[in-house]
Amino acid sequence: AQKVTQAQTEISVVEKEDVTLDCVYETRDTTYYLFWYKQPPSGELVFLIRRNSFDEQNEISGRYSWNFQKSTSSFNFTITASQVVDSAVYFCALSPSGAGSYQLTFGKGTKLSVIP
Amino acid sequence: KAGVTQTPRYLIKTRGQQVTLSCSPISGHRSVSWYQQTPGQGLQFLFEYFSETQRNKGNFPGRFSGRQFSNSRSEMNVSTLELGDSALYLCASSVAGGTGELFFGEGSRLTVL
Repeated sequence: AQKVTQAQTEISVVEKEDVTLDCVYETRDTTYYLFWYKQPPSGELVFLIRRNSFDEQNEISGRYSWNFQKSTSSFNFTITASQVVDSAVYFCALSPSGAGSYQLTFGKGTKLSVIP
Repeated sequence: KAGVTQTPRYLIKTRGQQVTLSCSPISGHRSVSWYQQTPGQGLQFLFEYFSETQRNKGNFPGRFSGRQFSNSRSEMNVSTLELGDSALYLCASSVAGGTGELFFGEGSRLTVL
């Protein structure tokens, strides 16, 4: 069985602060994908990143960065110099790979509020 | 490039009725999957279709069903609606399933009275 835990239910930060969203996962699969999605109030899940379990390199995209550590089964997401537009619910998700299809197991999400 | 389109966006039904939701994937995407989002259970996988075939199904009762057409558009149906079926139903598409990025639509919000 797969499980994704996002221990932080809600986080509030002041604009321009850095914030890290934690994600810990459990899986027995040897290969898998990890995802992060952003859900603004409109409801649409916005794709942020997909990471293959083979690739443990950290990634940076603008103000966003991701730290994947297979040894601790964590895939944390950091927003640098947060902005009000970053306010949303963020989901971490896990899917087995090699099965020819995605079947995502989501965490419960972390609601981020950036205060001006 | 148009994104994933879901219709209707909002609908209200009463217990016992049935509902059909539609999803048009991104052009060129052949895999469509469906998820249910509720405050209590969060986001849960319903099923995934590729080339008109259901390849995976989540842990939902048989009242939940779906299909995919030759143009990759997909529909899901919920029969004999229950109050607990009230949820945001999200559709996602990817190029071939299990590869590339997975894009979601804005969802269909179903309220069962």
